[in-house]
Parts: sequence; structure tokens; C-alpha cells
Amino acid sequence: AAGVIQSPRHLIKEKRETATLKCYPIPRHDTVYWYQQGPGQDPQFLISFYEKMQSDKGSIPDRFSAQQFSDYHSELNMSSLELGDSALYFCASSSPEDRGRDTQYFGPGTRLTVL
Amino acid sequence: AQKITQTQPGMFVQEKEAVTLDCTYDTSDQSYGLFWYKQPSSGEMIFLIYQGSYDEQNATEGRYSLNFQKARKSANLVISASQLGDSAMYFCAMNGNNDMRFGAGTRLTVKP
Repeated sequence: AAGVIQSPRHLIKEKRETATLKCYPIPRHDTVYWYQQGPGQDPQFLISFYEKMQSDKGSIPDRFSAQQFSDYHSELNMSSLELGDSALYFCASSSPEDRGRDTQYFGPGTRLTVL
Repeated sequence: AQKITQTQPGMFVQEKEAVTLDCTYDTSDQSYGLFWYKQPSSGEMIFLIYQGSYDEQNATEGRYSLNFQKARKSANLVISASQLGDSAMYFCAMNGNNDMRFGAGTRLTVKP
């Protein structure tokens, strides 16, 4: 079965640079979530989108922004990168047929390293 | 606010034996969902099992079962017949409004 696709899988950036992470949800999934997992930490919710509108916001820094496009893919834009942004960034998606339960299926993650 | 607590930073189990990973939660919501995810060393987060707060039966998925005790606010994961490939980080999680709150995780090591 198709899974969530994230690109790139690995990204190395310098401080103060920008980065764009992409997420392609499971086909027919309409909700996308972004999480940040620091080393040895549990994933922290950043932001979510439902039907191309922002639905909830977590601990996303003001330097980050995200959007969901008409084909339901989502992009996380990160500017003025800091060393502390080095983490594994997950995208997850959920299905409209799973409302109430809202099981989130995670992508493989993008490992961002800021030097 | 919702909170998930996993008190076992690490667990060891002998291959082919069963193991229980503990999870307690705190929420004021009447309706909620509890999830377990597995994170191998490769990093991906794999959905294992779900338990709804109104489900009367404990959830089971193959070798995974969830020991749900609502009054105690616990949702322990039981893995039967452990395999070497079960060695991984295991996260208990609860869904809130639109996000998933995770516990700190338990690192399970299966010994041959």
C-alpha cells in the first residue's frame, strides 16, 4: 500500500540558510501533520492542515511556515536556520474515512542537520 | 492538557517471550484515542495499534494487544512471542484536537 512520502530524506544546511521539506500524503488522505523530533526526544507537533487550511498549530517557530496545496501535498518552509533546528521532521496524514479515530500514518522523516 | 507517561526508559526481553510496555495518560476529554507506534533505528514511525476510549474490548493486532484500563488511565502494550525485529523505540500517544501527544518512549531490546 502507498505510504506517506517525504523529500528529501536527508538535508544538510548552514546556519541562517533556508530549507523546504516536502510531504506527499497517502492518496485520498486530506489531513497532513508536521512533527519535529530532536535527538532522544519524542515527536513534537508543529502544525496541521485539513483540506488545504491550517487546522491546528503547535510549537512551530515563527521562522517556519507551512502550507497544503490543491493536490494535498504539503511543504514546510524553514528560514534563518539555527543549530537547534537539527532534528528528524515527520509528516503524517490521516484519512477522511477514519474520522473520530484519526489514525496518523507517518512518513519516513527528513533528517535535517544544521551546521 | 493531555499528558502521556511512559516510565520505562528501557526494557529487555528474551526472544519468544512476552513483554508489557507501560503507558499512563491524563486527559479531561471524555472521548479520546490511544495509539502505539514503533520507531526502529532507521527512524520511521510505524503505527501498531489503536484503542478508543469507548471501546469495550481491548484492541489486538496480531502479536500486539493493548491492555486498556480506563479507570486507571493506563494503556499498556503487550507484545507476545517477541522477535529480534521487535527491538526498537516504542511510543504511546494520544490524539488531541488535531495533534498527537507522545510519551517519552521505551526502548525495547530483544535478546536472542
